[in-house]
Amino acid sequence: GAVVSQHPSWVICKSGTSVKIECRSLDFQATTMFWYRQFPKQSLMLMATSNEGSKATYEQGVEKDKFLINHASLTLSTLTVTSAHPEDSSFYICSASSGSGQPQHFGDGTRLSIL
Amino acid sequence: SQKIEQNSEALNIQEGKTATLTCNYTNYSPAYLQWYRQDPGRGPVFLLLIRENEKEKRKERLKVTFDTTLKQSLFHITASQPADSATYLCALDMGQAGTALIFGKGTTLSVSS
Repeated sequence: GAVVSQHPSWVICKSGTSVKIECRSLDFQATTMFWYRQFPKQSLMLMATSNEGSKATYEQGVEKDKFLINHASLTLSTLTVTSAHPEDSSFYICSASSGSGQPQHFGDGTRLSIL
Repeated sequence: SQKIEQNSEALNIQEGKTATLTCNYTNYSPAYLQWYRQDPGRGPVFLLLIRENEKEKRKERLKVTFDTTLKQSLFHITASQPADSATYLCALDMGQAGTALIFGKGTTLSVSS
C-alpha cells in the first residue's frame, strides 16, 4: 500500500527553537497533504491543508506565521514550528490523499517536546 | 451544530467475541465513511471505506455498515484477538477533492485473552 514517511519521529528542543517536520509520500503523487495535531486521548485536530504549489489553508485558530507550511513538490510537504514554546508540545501527524473517496495515508507522527 | 461522535471512549471485550463500535454524526451529509486504526504513538492506518449508497462492506474479520437515515456507522470485529487492541477512528469524507476528513475522537478497544 501507499506509504507516507514523516521525519523526525521525535524532537526535544529548547523554547524559542524552530523545528521543521517533513512529510513525504513515497510511492504516489499527493496534490493535497494535511497536517494534524493530536493531544493525548483526543482526536486528530486538523491544522492546515497543504496544496502543492500554492499557499496552505489554515484552520481557524491556527497561526499561519507560527506554523509555516511548504508544499514545494507533489511528494513533499514541510511544517515548521517557529519559535516553539512548551505549549506547542504535541503529536503532529501528516497525511496524504490521492483524492475524495480514497483512503488517507498517514505518517507515523512526530512527537515534539519543547523544554 | 455539526458533530461526529463515537459513543464509547473505551470498550473492553474478551477474546473471541465480536466488538461493535458506533459512529454517529449530526448535520453532515458524507459521501463516504472511513474507519482507521491507531496504535499508541503511531499514525492512523486505513481499514475500510464505505460509500453512502452501500449498506455494508466486509474485509476479512471486519464489517462496516452505513445507515444514512440514522446517520450512523457500525464497525464490527468478529473473533476478536488481543492484537486487535487499539483505538479505532471513524471519519467522514464529504466527497470534495482536497478536503480533509472529519474524525471522531475514537474508541479504544481492549481485547483480553
